[in-house]
Amino acid sequence: SQQGEEDPQALSIQEGENATMNCSYKTSINNLQWYRQNSGRGLVHLILIRSNEREKHSGRLRVTLDTSKKSSSLLITASRAADTASYFCATGRTGANSKLTFGKGITLSVRP
Amino acid sequence: DSGVTQTPKHLITATGQRVTLRCSPRSGDLSVYWYQQSLDQGLQFLIQYYNGEERAKGNILERFSAQQFPDLHSELNLSSLELGDSALYFCASSAQTGWETQYFGPGTRLLVL
Repeated sequence: SQQGEEDPQALSIQEGENATMNCSYKTSINNLQWYRQNSGRGLVHLILIRSNEREKHSGRLRVTLDTSKKSSSLLITASRAADTASYFCATGRTGANSKLTFGKGITLSVRP
Repeated sequence: DSGVTQTPKHLITATGQRVTLRCSPRSGDLSVYWYQQSLDQGLQFLIQYYNGEERAKGNILERFSAQQFPDLHSELNLSSLELGDSALYFCASSAQTGWETQYFGPGTRLLVL
C-alpha cells in the first residue's frame, strides 16, 4: 500500500500565488522527501526533512513535518509558470526494511 | 543532470518480444532502483539492487528480471511483453541502502504495439 498520500491531487494557481501541497503517511518514518517531475522526465529531489525536524527551507520552498499527525506540507512561494510539474512526497524508513516509498503525486499548474 | 544515465531513451516493440533496459548509476552510488510509471498505476517500485545483490522487491512481474553487474550498472529485462507493459521505466540510484535521497535517470519510454 502507498505510504504517502498527497492532497490535493491537482492544484491550479496564478503565477505569483503560493502553492501548498500536503502529504499524509501511515507508519513511522525517518525522513520525508519531496520530489518534482516535469512531464515525462525523471524525478528531481527537492528537499529532505528528518523526523526530528519540524520545518526546513530551501529557496522558495518551505517544508513542515508534523510527526504526531503523520503529515507534511510543501509550500512554494511566489510561484512561477516553470513550477508547473507533478510533486511527489516520499517517506524514508531505515532498519531491516529500509525503503523510500512514493505517493501518487500532485499535479500543479501555474497559470502565467 | 542527475548523473544517472539510461539507455535507450525510447523503445518500440511488439507483444511477445523481449527488451533490455540499461542504467548507469551516479559515480559512487551502490544502490540502483527500477520504477515503472504509467498513467493508471502511477510510480511503481519494481526492484532494488545494492552492490550487486538484490535488496528489495516491489511490484515486479515474473516476466521481468534485473541484475546489477560488478561495475554497478544495472539491466532490467522485460520479456513476453504485453500492451500493458507500455510505460516509462526509471532507474534511480542512491549512495547506500534505500532510504536516503534517490537520483533519477531520464527514463526509457517503452511502447508495446
